[in-house]
Amino acid sequence: DAKTTQPPSMDCAEGRAANLPCNHSTISGNEYVYWYRQIHSQGPQYIIHGLKNNETNEMASLIITEDRKSSTLILPHATLRDTAVYYCIVRVEGGGTSYGKLTFGQGTILTVHP
Amino acid sequence: GAGVSQSPSNKVTEKGKDVELRCDPISGHTALYWYRQSLGQGLEFLIYFQGNSAPDKSGLPSDRFSAERTGGSVSTLTIQRTQQEDSAVYLCASSRWTAKNEQFFGPGTRLTVL
Repeated sequence: DAKTTQPPSMDCAEGRAANLPCNHSTISGNEYVYWYRQIHSQGPQYIIHGLKNNETNEMASLIITEDRKSSTLILPHATLRDTAVYYCIVRVEGGGTSYGKLTFGQGTILTVHP
Repeated sequence: GAGVSQSPSNKVTEKGKDVELRCDPISGHTALYWYRQSLGQGLEFLIYFQGNSAPDKSGLPSDRFSAERTGGSVSTLTIQRTQQEDSAVYLCASSRWTAKNEQFFGPGTRLTVL
């Protein structure tokens, strides 16, 4: 799986949009971009994933650049409960013995403040 | 519905003892994963099951670690002759066998080896 690079920490004001960047310059054509987050003392939580088109769900939006070398996770109206470590993961979707493996990096610690 | 459950939530043991950690996945989820999270190593993959078989055991750190899954449901992670470096939070996740591979994580078992 391709390596990802994320800033170690970010701050965001409550109610504002949080934009979390991720670089994945060595991504392959069949690799998807996944985002998970981990709130303190809890297990990681799936947020969203995509291949090349922008994606949106009830939690967030995912913007992937045209060359797919980077992406941005957007939390449109951050709340204090969004304070967490956010992980960007690149992996192949489906098939193979490594199918189940998620490789977590260090992630970005997002702090939402009042 | 019920999420992934793990037991015990906390386990304190003495160096050299064996421990068993249990994971109950979400009903109907055929894939099950074990990870561990320690201060020095972050979140790392250990093993994954598809049904009762384990196609990928690449993350098990030594032969003191083993895992089994019976009836395509409950899984047990066993650590023999525990060492202090085994101290970590052990996380279990499960998913449906679909290409999306959204993994649902349990709350984890915090293992402390004295």
